[in-house]
Amino acid sequence: AQTVTQSQPEMSVQEAETVTLSCTYDTSESDYYLFWYKQPPSRQMILVIRQEAYKQQNATENRFSVNFQKAAKSFSLKISDSQLGDAAMYFCAYTGANSKLTFGKGITLSVRP
Amino acid sequence: SAVISQKPSRDICQRGTSLTIQCQVDSQVTMMFWYRQQPGQSLTLIATANQGSEATYESGFVIDKFPISRPNLTFSTLTVSNMSPEDSSIYLCSVSGLRGETQYFGPGTRLLVL
Repeated sequence: AQTVTQSQPEMSVQEAETVTLSCTYDTSESDYYLFWYKQPPSRQMILVIRQEAYKQQNATENRFSVNFQKAAKSFSLKISDSQLGDAAMYFCAYTGANSKLTFGKGITLSVRP
Repeated sequence: SAVISQKPSRDICQRGTSLTIQCQVDSQVTMMFWYRQQPGQSLTLIATANQGSEATYESGFVIDKFPISRPNLTFSTLTVSNMSPEDSSIYLCSVSGLRGETQYFGPGTRLLVL
């Protein structure tokens, strides 16, 4: 079975600074997708970024980028120029052949003004 | 991505009663899912809602407690039956396309059972 591990329960970053959120996963599949979702206090789950396992190039979406290390099964999220609106819970997630999402425990990110 | 709505957005219910949550999508989607998020926890998949057939439940979730309907490709309901305070959670629906690789979530329903 696939597992997703987020070992840091919370992190804090100064506004305008850069922060990296860590995630590791375990799978025996070769074709899969990895995601970062953001959940602000409004509880809406928002897709931040997606990475296809077969792509070597790291995904980027504006201020958000990932460091995907397939051999190490590591998938970290970097947030540049942090903004107050980035404060939220962030979940790393995996999906493979069965199309089911497996989530990590999440990390609470706070942004200091 | 599709626009997904859920009703109700929140509710407070008495133990022993049932609540039906609706999930509506503005376009046809292949797959729909229901998740539960207990307070301070991550998301747990309850079931996959299959159009025109019975839902596929994950381990620990049963149809008698969480009956699910999916009459067409844009709508699904989840009922939480015979509720207890342990059912207090956020319930979320999600949708994905044919390949199922990316799921988009509805706004969630916050349920409190007294």
